Amino acid sequence: DQQVKQNSPSLSVQEGRISILNCDYTNSMFDYFLWYKKYPAEGPTFLISISSIKDKNEDGRFTVFLNKSAKHLSLHIVPSQPGDSAVYFCAARSGGSQGNLIFGKGTKLSVKP
Amino acid sequence: EPEVTQTPSHQVTQMGQEVILRCVPISNHLYFYWYRQILGQKVEFLVSFYNNEISEKSEIFDDQFSVERPDGSNFTLKIRSTKLEDSAMYFCASGQSGVREKLFFGSGTQLSVL
Repeated sequence: DQQVKQNSPSLSVQEGRISILNCDYTNSMFDYFLWYKKYPAEGPTFLISISSIKDKNEDGRFTVFLNKSAKHLSLHIVPSQPGDSAVYFCAARSGGSQGNLIFGKGTKLSVKP
Repeated sequence: EPEVTQTPSHQVTQMGQEVILRCVPISNHLYFYWYRQILGQKVEFLVSFYNNEISEKSEIFDDQFSVERPDGSNFTLKIRSTKLEDSAMYFCASGQSGVREKLFFGSGTQLSVL
């Protein structure tokens, strides 16, 4: 039962180029989406979020796009930096939930100098 | 920057033993959570806690699990009788409000049940 899917387990990008991480979901009751970044031996760190009433949210080098009709969201990182190398998790929350986040399996991003 | 702290970082236990995982959430946060990640799998929600009671729990959080906020700073997860399949990284998280907000995660406790 994968309500949040990240179909690419890994992605390799050259420094300075754009990284695009994708996420699909199945539950139309999700009303809030988040991206977390995780380094080895650390907990997930919040990166950026988007409400279901929006289609884009931007924060510095990070932009999240939401396509509700396709039940798809993506995270764009531009320009990518070697320090961005980490596992990126897409997460979603059902409306009214007290923080019950449904996570995807993650995509490991490697940014090569 | 304030952070969520978890102890111990690693815990090894024998099957059937009780374990207590400890967390100190961020001090002005009101909502507390436990998640876990079995090796190679996704991060899974276990339980949320607010106002000294459980507000949500998943199917994973059965009678073997319990949570407690024994004082004003600690938040604990107890597994009464551990099973092999309880081996996972357990993450504590806290948040300032329950809706539409970001959760702050600790670094996790790696639990190994032998």
